[in-house]
Amino acid sequence: ETGVTQTPRHLVMGMTNKKSLKCEQHLGHNAMYWYKQSAKKPLELMFVYNFKEQTENNSVPSRFSPECPNSSHLFLHLHTLQPEDSALYLCASSQVPGANNSPLHFGNGTRLTVT
Amino acid sequence: KNQVEQSPQSLIILEGKNCTLQCNYTVSPFSNLRWYKQDTGRGPVSLTIMTFSENTKSNGRYTATLDADTKQSSLHITASQLSDSASYICVVNLLFGNTGKLIFGQGTTLQVKP
Repeated sequence: ETGVTQTPRHLVMGMTNKKSLKCEQHLGHNAMYWYKQSAKKPLELMFVYNFKEQTENNSVPSRFSPECPNSSHLFLHLHTLQPEDSALYLCASSQVPGANNSPLHFGNGTRLTVT
Repeated sequence: KNQVEQSPQSLIILEGKNCTLQCNYTVSPFSNLRWYKQDTGRGPVSLTIMTFSENTKSNGRYTATLDADTKQSSLHITASQLSDSASYICVVNLLFGNTGKLIFGQGTTLQVKP
């Protein structure tokens, strides 16, 4: 068990649907992240939350909307997505963003397919 | 061009053999370099973290090296096992503001065959 739980594991949605991805961490960490992983490409940072406050939005289209109600939970709300948004969406947490000995702990991701 | 380049892109070895994965980076200044292992269908898991002043770190059969002068790192896997089949990702933490910025490589896919 990774300590970071993501649901659902798989999601297929049409371009007009609205869905949400959920992430929960049980590690007592203060920072949470959303990453996008596409085939053969490096992980792309989407959003960073530190103590529930959004500290980074990496030029992500507005059809992706994050929500962080507390330090343990993170959501990614999806609406009017495009087929190129199909990817593995990974949630991660860490004690402090970017600290030297603060590794990221990843969930197992949500495999999203947009039809 | 990515600031963190990994080679080879993919690799096939026989069980029991050793292998070395390479990571070259142009990121500067950096505070630490990390290696992650990602099994198929799973999220990445941290293997090692090295600060710029460290030049080697081991985690079981995994040994990472770092040469900050040449901006190169390697991950050596000893006596490979079938469970080592995975993608290995090199990540450099760029010194940026108060929190840094992680720059990811594209990964090396390793397949260990019996």
